[in-house]
Order: sequence, then C-alpha cells, then structure tokens
Amino acid sequence: AQKVTQAQTEISVVEKEDVTLDCVYETRDTTYYLFWYKQPPSGELVFLIRRNSFDEQNEISGRYSWNFQKSTSSFNFTITASQVVDSAVYFCALSEAWDSSYKLIFGSGTRLLVRP
Amino acid sequence: DVKVTQSSRYLVKRTGEKVFLECVQDMDHENMFWYRQDPGLGLRLIYFSYDVKMKEKGDIPEGYSVSREKKERFSLILESASTNQTSMYLCASSTGASGRANNEQFFGPGTRLTVL
Repeated sequence: AQKVTQAQTEISVVEKEDVTLDCVYETRDTTYYLFWYKQPPSGELVFLIRRNSFDEQNEISGRYSWNFQKSTSSFNFTITASQVVDSAVYFCALSEAWDSSYKLIFGSGTRLLVRP
Repeated sequence: DVKVTQSSRYLVKRTGEKVFLECVQDMDHENMFWYRQDPGLGLRLIYFSYDVKMKEKGDIPEGYSVSREKKERFSLILESASTNQTSMYLCASSTGASGRANNEQFFGPGTRLTVL
C-alpha cells in the first residue's frame, strides 16, 4: 500500500544551522511523483518541489536541496543556513500515476522551529 | 498567481448543525479536492472532483458530502456536524492536463472548524 513516513515530528535548530527533514515512501507503482510542501503559521500549504520517479538527480534551489534515492525510497529535504522564516510544518507527499484521483498521499509532517 | 480562497478561516458550530464550507479557485482548474488536517495524521482526502457535477470519494468521506455546480466552486457539506469533525479543512485545486498526477495542487488558507 502507498504510504509516506516522516518520522521526525518536530525539529528545533538555532538559526544558521543546517537541517535535514526525512521522508520515506512506499509505493508499488513504477511511475510516481514526490512533493514537498511548506505550511507556515498562516496555514496555507506552499508548493516547494516536485520530483518524478525517473529523475533521481538531486536538486538545489538557493538554501534548499533535495536528495532523492530510489534505492532507499527516500526523498529528504535539507535547509542550509536555516533562518527564522523557515519555521513551519513541512509535508512530504506522494502521487501515483495509476491513481485516477490524482490525490496526494501526505506524510504526517515535520514541524521545524528555527530559533534566533 | 493561482488563488484558492475559502469562505471562512475560523468557524464554530454546534453538534447537529448543517455546515457548508466553500472553496473558490480562479485558475480554471479542472480538479478540486477537500482534505482534513489533524495533528499527527497529515492531510487526508475527503472528496475530490475532476469536473463540474462530478465527485468521487476520497479516503474518509463518511459524514461529508460535496457539491460542484460550477467549475470554480467546490463545497464541502457536513450534514449533521459532530465533535469528531473538529479539524482544519483544506481545499486544493490542480489542472487536469495530461500527466495529471504530476501536477501540483494549490491550496487555500484552510478553515479551522470547531464543533461544540
């Protein structure tokens, strides 16, 4: 069955530290998509990245980077030199190509607190 | 910019009341979704719709119904609200173009519903 696990419920770091948020997924589909969303205190989920199952290249966007490893079914997210504005709940999600609902299967989220 | 709006940020209702949560998107998206978000559970899909007047059950449809009379509007209805429906409700939309599982969903700010 499809599943997304974010084992870290809450992480607290001091500003400027690097932090990695873990995401492990399960799927039987060979074509799938992985997403990361950020939910700041305002509540609205903000899309960060999408990665398809055929593209294992890591991606970097400013202070954000993502490490996709099919061998370990993981799609981890690293924030370099964290800032207070990075404080939010981060969700990893999975979408399977066979599923006509196009639904996202979400992990339980990781709350990141960046202290000044 | 994609805009998904929800009728209320906060709502307090009494047990047994009929509750309407409204969602409107302005990007002509075919797909619309209703999720509920609970601590430790992430987001779970209640219902979705891929066209006007079309609706499909998600993972937790019990106690809910939906209506989509116009493409831009998707309503979630709690026929008789109960205390276990106290939650954050998030609406989302996405384009229905080919490769639909690939398309990110855009979220509204959420409605925090409390049922007393």
